[in-house]
Amino acid sequence: EPEVTQTPSHQVTQMGQEVILRCVPISNHLYFYWYRQILGQKVEFLVSFYNNEISEKSEIFDDQFSVERPDGSNFTLKIRSTKLEDSAMYFCASSDPTSSSYEQYFGPGTRLTVT
Amino acid sequence: AQSVSQHNHHVILSEAASLELGCNYSYGGTVNLFWYVQYPGQHLQLLLKYFSGDPLVKGIKGFEAEFIKSKFSFNLRKPSVQWSDTAEYFCAVGGSSASKIIFGSGTRLSIRP
Repeated sequence: EPEVTQTPSHQVTQMGQEVILRCVPISNHLYFYWYRQILGQKVEFLVSFYNNEISEKSEIFDDQFSVERPDGSNFTLKIRSTKLEDSAMYFCASSDPTSSSYEQYFGPGTRLTVT
Repeated sequence: AQSVSQHNHHVILSEAASLELGCNYSYGGTVNLFWYVQYPGQHLQLLLKYFSGDPLVKGIKGFEAEFIKSKFSFNLRKPSVQWSDTAEYFCAVGGSSASKIIFGSGTRLSIRP
């Protein structure tokens, strides 16, 4: 069964550094999403992406965040200058617009630790 | 405002006990409801979903949930839990388009063998 993959599984970075989290969505999916889960808290929506542009973003997704689909398979989340509070598990998801269920399929997540 | 409330933070049950996890939502417009499960060390998996039709939906591993529109609820049930059901369970709500999913805070389920 096709699945969403994410790399790396764990990223440790110093405060102020830039990080890029990578995702490979399911191949025929056209909607892409990033969510994050701070330890002990709920999963929060960050951004959705369709047709090479942001469809929706949350208040968390400020100017230090950006997303890109650099090629036909990858979907990336960039954090320009990381802060301690960016430490979280980041989940990528994708969905198939032709499906009536709009089910989102989640990747295994990247644990980001900012020191 | 769009939100999802899960009433139980941590539930502890013995094997073979029955399970019901509460979920209430606040959402304008057409609503799609989900239960996701996150087993220890694993990623989010869809347990079941409701989009329309029969308000009693059946999912994987013997789970079911009932959508009660008048109560804005979508409670998860299982008649007899197993040790392998130990996990975090998230109720979630989404719109009718491919829009964001809003998650509840999760319920940690621990099963005593």
